[in-house]
Amino acid sequence: GAGVSQSPRYKVAKRGQDVALRCDPISGHVSLFWYQQALGQGPEFLTYFQNEAQLDKSGLPSDRFFAERPEGSVSTLKIQRTQQEDSAVYLCASSLLGGSGGYNEQFFGPGTRLTVL
Amino acid sequence: AQSVTQLGSHVSVSEGALVLLRCNYSSSVPPYLFWYVQYPNQGLQLLLKYTSAATLVKGINGFEAEFKKSETSFHLTKPSAHMSDAAEYFCAVTLSGGYQKVTFGTGTKLQVIP
Repeated sequence: GAGVSQSPRYKVAKRGQDVALRCDPISGHVSLFWYQQALGQGPEFLTYFQNEAQLDKSGLPSDRFFAERPEGSVSTLKIQRTQQEDSAVYLCASSLLGGSGGYNEQFFGPGTRLTVL
Repeated sequence: AQSVTQLGSHVSVSEGALVLLRCNYSSSVPPYLFWYVQYPNQGLQLLLKYTSAATLVKGINGFEAEFKKSETSFHLTKPSAHMSDAAEYFCAVTLSGGYQKVTFGTGTKLQVIP
């Protein structure tokens, strides 16, 4: 595909349900990022993958959040036992390189809007 | 560590007037700086970026921004606002080394009055 795609675009979950959000990065991109954008706020970093390795998960808000990228391409962000405060737009971004220096542009997907009732 | 501060969560301008959205950054190493625009229920679109080349950068839709190291600022301007500029604008920063996770500001919602 031409860009980063995410699915589903919208997800409604009842409190306590588990959800899985998918990100398809641009083919060949080494780096993959997840961000969370709460209503009226700027996106905030959640986690970073370089190929299949999760190198930074410092932004994950709790142990209910789990991300994986097992084959170094598609990534899934899983949220267990969803809470109302998890309601947000979840953005995925990919970039061509890893931490090799020089500017490395991130390309953002359209996001998944999660609403927890 | 890096951060950005956007001054003014809401800015209103008249159509045809100057647009000025303010952003100050903090960074321990030379930063890369960005402005993104987000229309309602849409994703982020990169307006322009500073990556240590020219300090005055031009972006899409007539926007430009100037990197001022002495003032730690990266304000976004457009000489003449158009109705289609109404959107939310995010200033963002990343460090020039490492894997470059992006830190965003809290956003400025621009209203254009006819």
